[in-house]
Amino acid sequence: EAGVVQSPRYKIIEKKQPVAFWCNPISGHNTLYWYLQNLGQGPELLIRYENEEAVDDSQLPKDRFSAERLKGVDSTLKIQPAELGDSAVYLCASSLGGMRSNEQFFGPGTRLTVL
Amino acid sequence: DAKTTQPPSMDCAEGRAANLPCNHSTISGNEYVYWYRQIHSQGPQYIIHGLKNNETNEMASLIITEDRKSSTLILPHATLRDTAVYYCIVRAPDGNKLVFGAGTILRVKS
Repeated sequence: EAGVVQSPRYKIIEKKQPVAFWCNPISGHNTLYWYLQNLGQGPELLIRYENEEAVDDSQLPKDRFSAERLKGVDSTLKIQPAELGDSAVYLCASSLGGMRSNEQFFGPGTRLTVL
Repeated sequence: DAKTTQPPSMDCAEGRAANLPCNHSTISGNEYVYWYRQIHSQGPQYIIHGLKNNETNEMASLIITEDRKSSTLILPHATLRDTAVYYCIVRAPDGNKLVFGAGTILRVKS
C-alpha cells in the first residue's frame, strides 16, 4: 500500500514568490492534515480536512496561506507571497477519520527554503 | 490537550533496552497517551498508544503508571535505526489534533 505522497520534496524560492505543495493521502483516508515543522521543534497543525471540508484552520495564517481539497482526496497548500520566516518543513498526514483516527500517517514532507 | 514533559535527549547502547520517560501530570481521564517518532528527514511515525493498561506491539512497549501521570516507552533491543526524535502526546479520543512538543532525541550508539 502506498503511503502519503508529497511533492516536491525540496523547494527553494526567493521571498515574495508564490509556492505550492501537493499531497496525496492514503486511499480511503477521509481526514487530511497539513503541519508545519520548524527546525528543532515538533510539527504544528496548520489545517485539518474532513473530506473536502476544512474543519480546523485556526492556526493557518490566512493572509498568505491557503489550502484546498476540492474532491476530498488530494490537497494543495499555497503560500503567496512567501516570507523568509516560512522556511520550514511542510508535512502532510492522513487518517481514517473520527474515532478511527488512532494513527496518523505522515508523508516525508516538503522542505521549503525562502531566500 | 494536556502538556507533556520529556527529557531533551538520551543515549542508549545498541542491543540494550531504551526507556524513554514522559510526564503528563495534567492528563484527563479520557485522554490517551500516544508515542510517535521521527527519523531524520522523514515524517513522524506512529509507535503505540494506551489509556490505562500497559500495551505492547511489534515496535515497543508502553508502561503507564497507575495514577496515569507518567509513562515510559520501552524499545526492548535498540538498534542504530532507532535513533530518532520520540514524541509523547496526550490526546482525547475524539480529538484529531496531535499537539507535538520538542520530544526526546534518542541516540543509539554502537
